[in-house]
Amino acid sequence: EVQLVESGGGLVQPGGSLRLSCAASGFIVSSNYMNWVRQAPGKGLEWVSVIYSGGGTYYADSVKGRFTISRHNSKNTLFLQMNSLRAEDTAVYYCANLHHGRFDHWGQGTLVTVSS
Amino acid sequence: DIQMTQSPSSLSASVGDRVTITCRASQSISNYLNWYQQKPGKAPNLLIYAASSLQSGVPSRFSGSGSGTDFTLTISSLQPEDFAVYYCQQSYGTPYTFGQGTKLEIK
Repeated sequence: EVQLVESGGGLVQPGGSLRLSCAASGFIVSSNYMNWVRQAPGKGLEWVSVIYSGGGTYYADSVKGRFTISRHNSKNTLFLQMNSLRAEDTAVYYCANLHHGRFDHWGQGTLVTVSS
Repeated sequence: DIQMTQSPSSLSASVGDRVTITCRASQSISNYLNWYQQKPGKAPNLLIYAASSLQSGVPSRFSGSGSGTDFTLTISSLQPEDFAVYYCQQSYGTPYTFGQGTKLEIK
């Protein structure tokens, strides 16, 4: 059974940093297209970033230059390093597997709150 | 970037009703269109992929159609557990944009 478990969320001050983790079981992170998707409180879904199986990465314009997606193959874990955080980055962050063009597995989400 | 526009933004309906939600892409995306259901406090759940294919385990009352720029999600007979928010999403290219969501409420 595929399972994705996020961790690392919390309260951080504007300008601060946070690293999110997504531990996977039941499939191999490095062989899949792994994504971060976020949802601000009471708002819709916003795609954030993807890392392809070949290692290529892409980012939403809203986070480009501030966030970095990566993976640790032996730990089968996905990461999102978030720097220079802003109030508008406050959201629940989900990791999700993009399989044949669809997000078919999602984690439960981890809440990031950026506030002084 | 490809913009995804859903309509309506909210919808009131009764158990047993047939409802349709539409999604329009700002450019042709072939059939690279997925639909998700999200309930409060939960992660989204994939319902339909590739515009019209039913995800395993999803009830057959859900169906999708369309190609190019115009797509629809139809629920043939609403059940109490279907009241939720629905999102379309394109996977034609990055950024993998979502529609703004349609909140389906009980009338």
